[in-house]
Amino acid sequence: GEEVAQTPKHLVRGEGQKAKLYCAPIKGHSYVFWYQQVLKNEFKFLISFQNENVFDETGMPKERFSAKCLPNSPCSLEIQATKLEDSAVYFCASSQSTHISGNTIYFGEGSWLTVV
Amino acid sequence: DAKTTQPPSMDCAEGRAANLPCNHSTISGNEYVYWYRQIHSQGPQYIIHGLKNNETNEMASLIITEDRKSSTLILPHATLRDTAVYYCIVPRPLTGGGNKLTFGTGTQLKVEL
Repeated sequence: GEEVAQTPKHLVRGEGQKAKLYCAPIKGHSYVFWYQQVLKNEFKFLISFQNENVFDETGMPKERFSAKCLPNSPCSLEIQATKLEDSAVYFCASSQSTHISGNTIYFGEGSWLTVV
Repeated sequence: DAKTTQPPSMDCAEGRAANLPCNHSTISGNEYVYWYRQIHSQGPQYIIHGLKNNETNEMASLIITEDRKSSTLILPHATLRDTAVYYCIVPRPLTGGGNKLTFGTGTQLKVEL
Protein backbone atom coordinates (compact mmCIF):
# COMPACT_ATOMS: atom_id res chain seq x y z
CA GLY A 1 0.00 0.00 0.00
CA GLU A 2 0.87 3.65 -0.16
CA GLU A 3 0.78 4.19 3.56
CA VAL A 4 1.90 2.49 6.73
CA ALA A 5 -1.18 0.71 8.07
CA GLN A 6 -1.47 0.04 11.78
CA THR A 7 -4.10 -2.01 13.56
CA PRO A 8 -5.89 -1.79 15.85
CA LYS A 9 -6.31 1.95 16.23
CA HIS A 10 -7.34 1.52 19.84
CA LEU A 11 -6.77 -1.34 22.26
CA VAL A 12 -7.75 -1.62 25.91
CA ARG A 13 -6.21 -4.30 28.06
CA GLY A 14 -6.43 -5.15 31.73
CA GLU A 15 -3.18 -5.17 33.61
CA GLY A 16 -1.44 -8.49 33.06
CA GLN A 17 -3.15 -9.22 29.76
CA LYS A 18 -1.37 -9.56 26.44
CA ALA A 19 -1.48 -6.89 23.77
CA LYS A 20 -0.57 -7.36 20.13
CA LEU A 21 -0.24 -4.62 17.58
CA TYR A 22 0.18 -4.95 13.83
CA CYS A 23 1.88 -2.92 11.12
CA ALA A 24 1.86 -3.25 7.36
CA PRO A 25 4.72 -1.18 5.88
CA ILE A 26 4.52 0.69 2.62
CA LYS A 27 4.85 -1.70 -0.31
CA GLY A 28 8.45 -1.98 -1.35
CA HIS A 29 9.84 -0.79 1.96
CA SER A 30 12.25 -3.24 3.53
CA TYR A 31 12.74 -1.50 6.85
CA VAL A 32 10.28 -1.24 9.69
CA PHE A 33 10.61 0.76 12.90
CA TRP A 34 8.56 0.79 16.11
CA TYR A 35 8.34 3.80 18.42
CA GLN A 36 6.50 4.37 21.68
CA GLN A 37 5.06 7.75 22.68
CA VAL A 38 3.70 8.15 26.20
CA LEU A 39 1.27 11.03 26.84
CA LYS A 40 2.48 13.20 23.92
CA ASN A 41 5.97 13.09 25.37
CA GLU A 42 9.10 12.25 23.50
CA PHE A 43 9.21 9.33 21.16
CA LYS A 44 11.09 6.27 22.33
CA PHE A 45 12.67 4.09 19.66
CA LEU A 46 11.97 0.41 20.32
CA ILE A 47 13.19 -1.75 17.46
CA SER A 48 13.87 -1.83 13.74
CA PHE A 49 13.80 -4.61 11.15
CA GLN A 50 15.38 -5.21 7.80
CA ASN A 51 12.85 -7.49 6.17
CA GLU A 52 12.36 -10.25 8.75
CA ASN A 53 15.66 -9.65 10.52
CA VAL A 54 16.04 -7.57 13.63
CA PHE A 55 18.29 -4.63 12.75
CA ASP A 56 18.41 -2.63 15.97
CA GLU A 57 16.67 -3.61 19.20
CA THR A 58 18.47 -1.32 21.60
CA GLY A 59 15.22 0.27 22.76
CA MET A 60 13.24 -2.87 23.46
CA PRO A 61 12.29 -3.75 27.06
CA LYS A 62 13.10 -7.38 26.41
CA GLU A 63 11.41 -8.90 29.42
CA ARG A 64 7.87 -8.33 28.17
CA PHE A 65 8.15 -6.89 24.67
CA SER A 66 8.73 -8.86 21.50
CA ALA A 67 8.39 -8.05 17.81
CA LYS A 68 8.42 -9.93 14.53
CA CYS A 69 8.35 -9.21 10.83
CA LEU A 70 7.58 -12.42 8.98
CA PRO A 71 7.42 -12.78 5.19
CA ASN A 72 4.01 -12.09 3.67
CA SER A 73 2.57 -11.05 7.03
CA PRO A 74 2.14 -7.75 8.85
CA CYS A 75 4.83 -6.96 11.37
CA SER A 76 3.77 -7.30 14.99
CA LEU A 77 4.66 -5.88 18.38
CA GLU A 78 3.55 -7.95 21.34
CA ILE A 79 3.51 -7.02 25.00
CA GLN A 80 3.11 -9.87 27.46
CA ALA A 81 1.63 -9.12 30.88
CA THR A 82 0.92 -5.47 30.21
CA LYS A 83 1.53 -2.87 32.90
CA LEU A 84 -0.12 0.50 33.43
CA GLU A 85 3.08 2.21 32.24
CA ASP A 86 2.73 0.53 28.84
CA SER A 87 -0.21 2.81 28.08
CA ALA A 88 1.00 4.78 25.09
CA VAL A 89 0.66 5.31 21.38
CA TYR A 90 2.78 2.88 19.43
CA PHE A 91 3.92 4.11 16.04
CA CYS A 92 5.19 1.98 13.24
CA ALA A 93 7.25 3.47 10.43
CA SER A 94 8.83 2.16 7.26
CA SER A 95 11.46 3.19 4.75
CA GLN A 96 13.30 1.86 1.75
CA SER A 97 16.53 1.95 3.71
CA THR A 98 17.69 2.40 7.25
CA HIS A 99 20.49 4.47 5.80
CA ILE A 100 18.42 7.55 6.28
CA SER A 101 20.65 10.03 4.55
CA GLY A 102 18.53 11.09 1.64
CA ASN A 103 15.79 8.56 2.36
CA THR A 104 12.59 9.14 4.25
CA ILE A 105 10.87 7.29 7.04
CA TYR A 106 7.07 7.32 6.85
CA PHE A 107 4.92 6.80 9.91
CA GLY A 108 1.58 5.17 10.49
CA GLU A 109 -1.21 6.76 12.49
CA GLY A 110 -0.40 4.75 15.57
CA SER A 111 -2.11 2.27 17.85
CA TRP A 112 -3.42 3.61 21.14
CA LEU A 113 -2.89 1.11 23.94
CA THR A 114 -4.65 1.75 27.22
CA VAL A 115 -3.88 -0.56 30.12
CA VAL A 116 -6.41 -0.41 32.93
CA ASP B 1 21.83 11.67 16.49
CA ALA B 2 23.37 15.11 16.35
CA LYS B 3 21.85 17.21 19.10
CA THR B 4 19.31 19.76 17.92
CA THR B 5 17.94 22.74 19.80
CA GLN B 6 14.55 24.23 19.07
CA PRO B 7 12.43 26.82 20.88
CA PRO B 8 9.68 25.08 22.85
CA SER B 9 6.87 27.14 21.37
CA MET B 10 6.03 29.76 18.76
CA ASP B 11 2.92 31.62 17.67
CA CYS B 12 2.04 32.70 14.15
CA ALA B 13 -0.87 34.58 12.65
CA GLU B 14 -2.82 32.76 9.99
CA GLY B 15 -1.69 33.69 6.50
CA ARG B 16 1.72 34.79 7.69
CA ALA B 17 4.96 32.91 7.19
CA ALA B 18 6.00 30.69 10.07
CA ASN B 19 9.77 30.50 10.51
CA LEU B 20 10.90 27.70 12.79
CA PRO B 21 14.57 27.73 13.76
CA CYS B 22 16.79 24.81 14.68
CA ASN B 23 20.37 24.71 15.89
CA HIS B 24 22.49 21.67 15.09
CA SER B 25 26.01 22.91 15.73
CA THR B 26 27.55 19.40 15.97
CA ILE B 27 26.27 18.27 12.58
CA SER B 28 28.75 16.38 10.40
CA GLY B 29 29.37 16.97 6.73
CA ASN B 30 27.35 14.01 5.49
CA GLU B 31 24.38 14.33 7.83
CA TYR B 32 21.00 15.49 6.61
CA VAL B 33 18.54 17.74 8.40
CA TYR B 34 15.01 16.36 8.56
CA TRP B 35 11.78 18.03 9.62
CA TYR B 36 8.69 16.22 10.80
CA ARG B 37 5.55 17.42 12.50
CA GLN B 38 2.93 15.84 14.70
CA ILE B 39 -0.60 17.18 14.64
CA HIS B 40 -2.39 16.31 17.88
CA SER B 41 -1.50 12.65 18.47
CA GLN B 42 -1.40 11.63 14.82
CA GLY B 43 1.60 9.89 13.34
CA PRO B 44 4.63 12.10 12.64
CA GLN B 45 4.35 13.59 9.18
CA TYR B 46 7.42 14.02 7.02
CA ILE B 47 7.85 17.59 5.80
CA ILE B 48 11.21 18.06 4.14
CA HIS B 49 14.91 17.26 4.39
CA GLY B 50 18.14 18.71 3.09
CA LEU B 51 21.91 18.41 3.18
CA LYS B 52 23.52 21.66 2.12
CA ASN B 53 21.32 23.46 -0.34
CA ASN B 54 18.04 25.10 0.43
CA GLU B 55 15.08 22.92 -0.39
CA THR B 56 11.47 23.62 -1.24
CA ASN B 57 8.48 21.37 -1.71
CA GLU B 58 4.71 21.79 -1.67
CA MET B 59 4.65 21.95 2.11
CA ALA B 60 7.58 24.09 3.12
CA SER B 61 11.01 25.52 2.47
CA LEU B 62 14.18 24.57 4.31
CA ILE B 63 16.96 27.10 4.64
CA ILE B 64 20.31 25.71 5.84
CA THR B 65 23.08 28.11 6.78
CA GLU B 66 26.35 27.91 4.90
CA ASP B 67 28.18 26.44 7.92
CA ARG B 68 25.25 24.00 8.35
CA LYS B 69 25.06 24.66 12.06
CA SER B 70 21.48 25.85 11.91
CA SER B 71 18.44 25.74 9.70
CA THR B 72 15.00 27.29 9.40
CA LEU B 73 11.80 25.65 8.31
CA ILE B 74 9.49 28.08 6.57
CA LEU B 75 5.77 27.56 6.16
CA PRO B 76 5.04 30.38 3.70
CA HIS B 77 1.35 30.90 4.48
CA ALA B 78 0.50 29.25 7.77
CA THR B 79 -3.04 28.02 8.33
CA LEU B 80 -4.81 26.80 11.44
CA ARG B 81 -4.18 23.24 10.26
CA ASP B 82 -0.45 23.84 10.59
CA THR B 83 -0.77 23.98 14.36
CA ALA B 84 1.46 21.10 15.46
CA VAL B 85 4.70 20.12 17.13
CA TYR B 86 7.57 20.48 14.67
CA TYR B 87 10.65 18.32 15.04
CA CYS B 88 14.06 19.07 13.62
CA ILE B 89 16.12 15.87 13.45
CA VAL B 90 19.64 15.08 12.35
CA PRO B 91 19.92 11.29 12.13
CA ARG B 92 23.42 9.97 12.29
CA PRO B 93 24.41 7.20 9.87
CA LEU B 94 25.81 4.19 11.67
CA THR B 95 28.89 2.28 10.60
CA GLY B 96 27.70 -0.68 8.59
CA GLY B 97 24.55 1.05 7.51
CA GLY B 98 21.35 2.08 9.15
CA ASN B 99 20.30 4.69 11.61
CA LYS B 100 17.13 5.90 13.22
CA LEU B 101 15.32 9.13 13.86
CA THR B 102 15.62 10.42 17.40
CA PHE B 103 12.90 12.91 18.26
CA GLY B 104 13.56 15.71 20.74
CA THR B 105 10.88 17.88 22.30
CA GLY B 106 10.27 19.96 19.17
CA THR B 107 8.57 23.34 18.76
CA GLN B 108 4.87 23.67 19.44
CA LEU B 109 3.62 26.00 16.70
CA LYS B 110 0.28 27.61 17.33
CA VAL B 111 -1.34 29.33 14.37
CA GLU B 112 -4.02 31.81 15.37
CA LEU B 113 -6.57 33.93 13.57
